[in-house]
Amino acid sequence: QVQLQESGPGLVKPSQTLSLTCTVSGGSITSGNYYWSWIRQPPGKGLQWIGYIYYSGSTYYNPSLKSRVTISVDTSKNQFSLKLRSVTAADTAVYYCARVDSSSSHFVDYWGQGTLVTVSS
Amino acid sequence: SYELTQPPSVSVSPGQTASISCSGDKLGDKYTCWYQQKPGQSPVLVIYQDSKRPSGIPERFSGSNSGNTATLTISGTQAMDEADYYCQAWDSSTEVFGGGTKLTVL
Repeated sequence: QVQLQESGPGLVKPSQTLSLTCTVSGGSITSGNYYWSWIRQPPGKGLQWIGYIYYSGSTYYNPSLKSRVTISVDTSKNQFSLKLRSVTAADTAVYYCARVDSSSSHFVDYWGQGTLVTVSS
Repeated sequence: SYELTQPPSVSVSPGQTASISCSGDKLGDKYTCWYQQKPGQSPVLVIYQDSKRPSGIPERFSGSNSGNTATLTISGTQAMDEADYYCQAWDSSTEVFGGGTKLTVL
């Protein structure tokens, strides 16, 4: 059973960089047709895809966030990470890391529990 | 950019059939999946590749996709099915979510 766990600060000041790490257990981040994804959900609102990375390092980002986002992978630690620069209050959300199965279609088969990140001074 | 549109809310009586739509340009040409999310929990996949159910998802959940609309159908809706439901599709290397539909069982 694959498990994903987000970690990182729960409070970030405006204009600073939000940094989160997702640790994958129960399976290798280098196995299979999977993309490792970040998805967020502002309080009371819907889901927004941020981007994902393949274990080789190939990345795909939401065009609306692309200028501020970097996703990276550390296969030796079975982790992948998110950096979101120049944050504002609008970036306050629950951030989920997730595994996207891309073998035939694209769907998230495993989600982390989510971590709330608040942007406030 | 590609957009998926869902009704904000759907109501259904227990035991009846609930249908939640998801519309997008030529959506039938893409694969759609559906997630259920209950308050304070992570989403759970209930339908993938338009109509397939993951292991552990009850048979009362089914899906279809044709033309510009994908539909999640819950037959014999139970109180435990009350939740938010999101559709998702993949377009031009981008994952797109619908805005979500709150299903109320009353």
